[in-house]
Amino acid sequence: DAGVIQSPRHEVTEMGQEVTLRCKPISGHNSLFWYRQTMMRGLELLIYFNNNVPIDDSGMPEDRFSAKMPNASFSTLKIQPSEPRDSAVYFCASSLKGEQYFGPGTRLTVT
Amino acid sequence: AQSVAQPEDQVNVAEGNPLTVKCTYSVSGNPYLFWYVQYPNRGLQFLLKYITGDNLVKGSYGFEAEFNKSQTSFHLKKPSALVSDSALYFCAVTILSGAGSYQLTFGKGTKLSVIP
Repeated sequence: DAGVIQSPRHEVTEMGQEVTLRCKPISGHNSLFWYRQTMMRGLELLIYFNNNVPIDDSGMPEDRFSAKMPNASFSTLKIQPSEPRDSAVYFCASSLKGEQYFGPGTRLTVT
Repeated sequence: AQSVAQPEDQVNVAEGNPLTVKCTYSVSGNPYLFWYVQYPNRGLQFLLKYITGDNLVKGSYGFEAEFNKSQTSFHLKKPSALVSDSALYFCAVTILSGAGSYQLTFGKGTKLSVIP
């Protein structure tokens, strides 16, 4: 298995632009998690899905952030409009029975 | 609510010496505990987990962790540290949620530096 796949690996965009991050979980996993990591705030859970259904989105910073999981093999995290404080590394993780497996992350820089 | 504390932001150890990275937790119910490692510019990598059974669990790369229920701790250990073990280590805890999913609560991380 290729593991969790995220794209793009790096994204540089200007403030106000829309950003879409993509994730392909490990085949057969039924839970998917989006995290954000910064030096200041550490690792933060943004939202997670179970069987493609959003379970808890309380970690989503504000309405500019949205996430979807249209099927078991794909999820997106969208930021519209983006702001410089959104600059971070965004991780996607998937799991089946407890331990989560993380993707390589997308490093987002908003200028 | 569940929480994890990693009391040390950084641990320095000489190569060849034993290492310990500390973790304490707080949950209502039986905990599932995990350790992850993060190398620079990489995602978190699963090391080991405790679900039930033997309090000493063994994981990848020679690491092990000991579950201590009375002290609510789950310290990560390795008998002989390698320079290549230098990384950021995260402890995490969860309980089975009503939705059947496992939402992990992570500690803030401990930076391990192994000195040659």
